[in-house]
Amino acid sequence: DAGVIQSPRHEVTEMGQEVTLRCKPISGHNSLFWYRQTMMRGLELLIYFNNNVPIDDSGMPEDRFSAKMPNASFSTLKIQPSEPRDSAVYFCASSKGQGLADTQYFGPGTRLTVL
Amino acid sequence: AQSVSQHNHHVILSEAASLELGCNYSYGGTVNLFWYVQYPGQHLQLLLKYFSGDPLVKGIKGFEAEFIKSKFSFNLRKPSVQWSDTAEYFCAALYNFNKFYFGSGTKLNVKP
Repeated sequence: DAGVIQSPRHEVTEMGQEVTLRCKPISGHNSLFWYRQTMMRGLELLIYFNNNVPIDDSGMPEDRFSAKMPNASFSTLKIQPSEPRDSAVYFCASSKGQGLADTQYFGPGTRLTVL
Repeated sequence: AQSVSQHNHHVILSEAASLELGCNYSYGGTVNLFWYVQYPGQHLQLLLKYFSGDPLVKGIKGFEAEFIKSKFSFNLRKPSVQWSDTAEYFCAALYNFNKFYFGSGTKLNVKP
């Protein structure tokens, strides 16, 4: 059974460019989460979806960040325009349940470097 | 503010030593607690979780954690570590079923 799939695994871009990160959750899972990991702030929950609907986006740092989940098998996290301080590892996770209490299954992460 | 604290950033042990990693949560109403682990080259995965009931929780690979409400702690323990336990360990807390926080992580290095 495939786990959570993220692409790309590595992304290097220049300041000001648009960046799109992609995630395919585990089939049958109802919730999807986006996290950011940095040395300074650790792992932070950015946004999560239940049944494709955004439930809490209070962790999204700025309006430059946006996330969508057009269907149950795909989500994107977009940064426009990107800045060097956005450099981090971005993780996607999914869970069977409807909320935050269920076990989350993490993807391998996307390492983003903004020059 | 609600948070999760892991005071040990890097722990080095020899095989067969006992392990205890600290985790403290802040007061914030109902709390559910988790330990996740990331082995080298692998994804973050759940070790164990506490919701209610017996405060001593057993997880995978011989790990356990004890919820001590009076100390706001949920320390992770293992009586005898192995080289394969080398990993980064993250404590996490869910407050009032709607706010989820990870601790900063503890890197464990077990010497063979």
